[in-house]
Parts: sequence; structure tokens; C-alpha cells
Amino acid sequence: DGGITQSPKYLFRKEGQNVTLSCEQNLNHDAMYWYRQDPGQGLRLIYYSQIVNDFQKGDIAEGYSVSREKKESFPLTVTSAQKNPTAFYLCASSIDLGLAETQYFGPGTRLLVL
Amino acid sequence: AQTVTQSQPEMSVQEAETVTLSCTYDTSENNYYLFWYKQPPSRQMILVIRQEAYKQQNATENRFSVNFQKAAKSFSLKISDSQLGDTAMYFCAFANSGYALNFGKGTSLLVTP
Repeated sequence: DGGITQSPKYLFRKEGQNVTLSCEQNLNHDAMYWYRQDPGQGLRLIYYSQIVNDFQKGDIAEGYSVSREKKESFPLTVTSAQKNPTAFYLCASSIDLGLAETQYFGPGTRLLVL
Repeated sequence: AQTVTQSQPEMSVQEAETVTLSCTYDTSENNYYLFWYKQPPSRQMILVIRQEAYKQQNATENRFSVNFQKAAKSFSLKISDSQLGDTAMYFCAFANSGYALNFGKGTSLLVTP
């Protein structure tokens, strides 16, 4: 089965700690995205990547970092600089970066601050 | 800035009935795409239907159809023969020259027996 996996399902962060959220896809998609969802809100873009070793900031990139060393993987690190990290994080992918391409989403990771 | 507005925070419908969810958007672009995504309690976002702005014909997917009014910048979702499994948050989203989907705040739909 092709799809997008995210792990862990729940993640707890202590103050001052960096944590990394995993996103893997086996859809052979070139483009990958990270979104943040807060209660009562739509999704907001954190970072996106068009190809391996290339990524761009989205609307709310401050306090986050990403890497794209493999086509299948796009991990997101929530750094200690992100002062309000509690949210639901969704990873998505699409065939390429064209606006006509449908984005497909993973099951998400809920991040909570201890 | 592009905006997407969903004016109905919550709606309910009885099983087997029809319900329409509203969405309006604001853009100066002529070429864009519109989507409805469903987010059930599992919280995974699932594509329901998409519409290309240059197509006048309204998109349909089984029990789901849209009413796309380009001049009015309106993109409503109609769910026919509602089922209990349709209970979810529904998000309207918009894509144009940017790379992100612009999402509305969602409509929570409850299907009751």
C-alpha cells in the first residue's frame, strides 16, 4: 500500500528541548509539506520541499527546521525557539509542486509540552 | 492575501438527508484550484473533491458534489444521503500561484441517526 506515515502519534516535549517529527512517503512524490493545525483553525504551512536537498519556508517557519536528504523522508524539528509548540502537525506530499496537484496527508503527530 | 471563509462553524444533519456546507474565497487570480478535505475523529485529512476554476462543470464524487460560482467566489459542498461516517470536520482549501493550500477554519458536521 502506498501512503504517508508519521511518527510518533503523540510526542511530549520538555522546556528547552528539540524534538523531531518523522514523515515518510512511498508514493514517489517529489514535493512534501509540513502544516500546523491549532484548535478551531485551518492548517498553516511551516515548510515545503520541491526536491531532495531543497526546502523553503512557509508562513510560520520560525522555531522550526527541516531536512530533505532522501526523496521519501522530510523530518521536522521543533526547536526550543518555538515558544508555543503545542499543536497537531500534519505532513503532506504531492506529485510535484504545481498548484494543480492534490496534496495527500499523513495521519499526523500531536505535540504536547510538559 | 488569499482568504477562505467557512461561515458555518457547526452543522448537523439526519442520516439519509442532504446537507450543504458553505465556502467563499477571495483572490485576484484567474487560475486556481479548490478542494474540500474531510478530517474525521482520527484526524487524518482526506480529500473529498476538487474543482478546477477554469472548468464550468461542477465536480461530483459519488454522494459529494460542489456548487462552484466563480463570479461570486463561492464553492459549496453538498452531501447527499448523509451517512454516520460522514461525521467530521470539513475544510475548504484554495490553491493558486503559491505552494501552500489556504485553508478555511472548518465546519464541524454531525450526522445523527
